[in-house]
Amino acid sequence: EIVLTQSPGTLSLSPGERATLSCRASQSVSRSYLAWYQQKPGQAPRLLISGASSRATGIPVRFSGSGSGTDFTLTISSLEPQDSAVYYCQQYGSSVSFTFGPGTKVEIK
Amino acid sequence: QVLLQESGPGLVKPSETLSLTCTVSGGSIGYYYWSWIRQPPGKGLEWIAYMSYSGSSNYNPSLKSRVTMSVDTPKNQFSLKMTSLTAADTAVYYCARLPRLTPYFFDFWGQGTLVTVSS
Repeated sequence: EIVLTQSPGTLSLSPGERATLSCRASQSVSRSYLAWYQQKPGQAPRLLISGASSRATGIPVRFSGSGSGTDFTLTISSLEPQDSAVYYCQQYGSSVSFTFGPGTKVEIK
Repeated sequence: QVLLQESGPGLVKPSETLSLTCTVSGGSIGYYYWSWIRQPPGKGLEWIAYMSYSGSSNYNPSLKSRVTMSVDTPKNQFSLKMTSLTAADTAVYYCARLPRLTPYFFDFWGQGTLVTVSS
């Protein structure tokens, strides 16, 4: 089973700053199989990025994904107050299985 | 716009069986893939089960012995049954859809339903 590790655990930044969130896999993951979600308190997760770098419908351009192999990154280019949330990466594995990373909490100062 | 709505008991006793239903509106349940995911209070996300429109299913190995997922196409619903519940199964349970052509991620989610396991 592929294990996903996310860092940092918490990121505290000011509005307008750039946020860089890391997702590292214990084995190589196809770019097609890597997604990112945003979850705000009391809400369901929302798909941000699929295929490592494709923004989902309606997602602002300040959100971008990159990476390959075992290292993937979610970047928020200029933080806005409403970006305060927990961000999860997720991978699709062989034999039809899905695993999530533990999440990175983004706090806006 | 596809909408998913979970329904089921909010409180279940230990050792009992949990039954949850997800009703899909705004689109047909056919030709898509569907899943259940849960989140214990204050913790991360855990995938539980997956079922294709054709009926093939797969489960998280850690839960496989206790979980069954089914689809009711005429009702546009799918369901989850989980047996032998313990306090560790207390969580918000989400139903979610996977895209037809690239069923590798979850593009639509229900709002979630909190299930508490307690006597």
